[in-house]
Amino acid sequence: DGGITQSPKYLFRKEGQNVTLSCEQNLNHDAMYWYRQDPGQGLRLIYYSQIVNDFQKGDIAEGYSVSREKKESFPLTVTSAQKNPTAFYLCASSPTSGGSTDTQYFGPGTRLTVL
Amino acid sequence: GESVGLHLPTLSVQEGDNSIINCAYSNSASDYFIWYKQESGKGPQFIIDIRSNMDKRQGQRVTVLLNKTVKHLSLQIAATQPGDSAVYFCAENYRPGGYNKLIFGAGTRLAVHP
Repeated sequence: DGGITQSPKYLFRKEGQNVTLSCEQNLNHDAMYWYRQDPGQGLRLIYYSQIVNDFQKGDIAEGYSVSREKKESFPLTVTSAQKNPTAFYLCASSPTSGGSTDTQYFGPGTRLTVL
Repeated sequence: GESVGLHLPTLSVQEGDNSIINCAYSNSASDYFIWYKQESGKGPQFIIDIRSNMDKRQGQRVTVLLNKTVKHLSLQIAATQPGDSAVYFCAENYRPGGYNKLIFGAGTRLAVHP
C-alpha cells in the first residue's frame, strides 16, 4: 500500500448521518484522489487535489465533500445527501498531478455500509 | 473479504500456464497506461505501466503490449501462480485540463487453478 493509510477499514453509517473517511500519505506526494468502487465496476473519481488548500470535483462528487489542509491528509466526508453511499472507498496519491507519467498509488480502502 | 467484482469476466488458467488479460481503452489522446492488481478487500496494487510512445514493456514475469491503432492493451503473465489470482484493471491516463485522470476498465478476474 506504499505509505498510504486509510481508516477505518470498515465503517457503518446510519441513515442521515455524515461520516468522514481518513486518508494519510507519507510519500510527500502533491496530488491526492478519492475513488469509489462498486461491485462489477471500475473505480470512479469523486474528488482530487493537486496541491494543499485546493481540490476539484471528479465525476461523482455529489453528496461528498473534502478538505486538503495538509499535504499528507485528504479526508472525505460522505454526507446524508449521498443517496447510495454503500461502497468501497479508495484513496490514492501521485507525486504531482500534471506529469505525463505520474502513477497513482492506492491505499487499502474503507468499506462503508449504510444500515 | 470484499467482493471487488461479482459479475466480472473471468479468466481461468492452470498453474504454470501463461495468462493474457485484454483491455480496450477509450481515448486516443491517452498517453500513459497502467495495469493494477486488486486482491479481495485490498486496494489496487501497481503492476506495470507503459507510455504511449512504446508498444511493449517487460517486467518480472509480466509484459504489457500496447496497440494504439486499435486502442488495445494486454497484460501477459508468465508461469501463472496461485498468488496471481486477483482482479486486474487497466487504466488509461488522460489529462484534461492538465491533471492526471485515470479512467479504469471494469476489470478481469484471474482464477489460477492448481
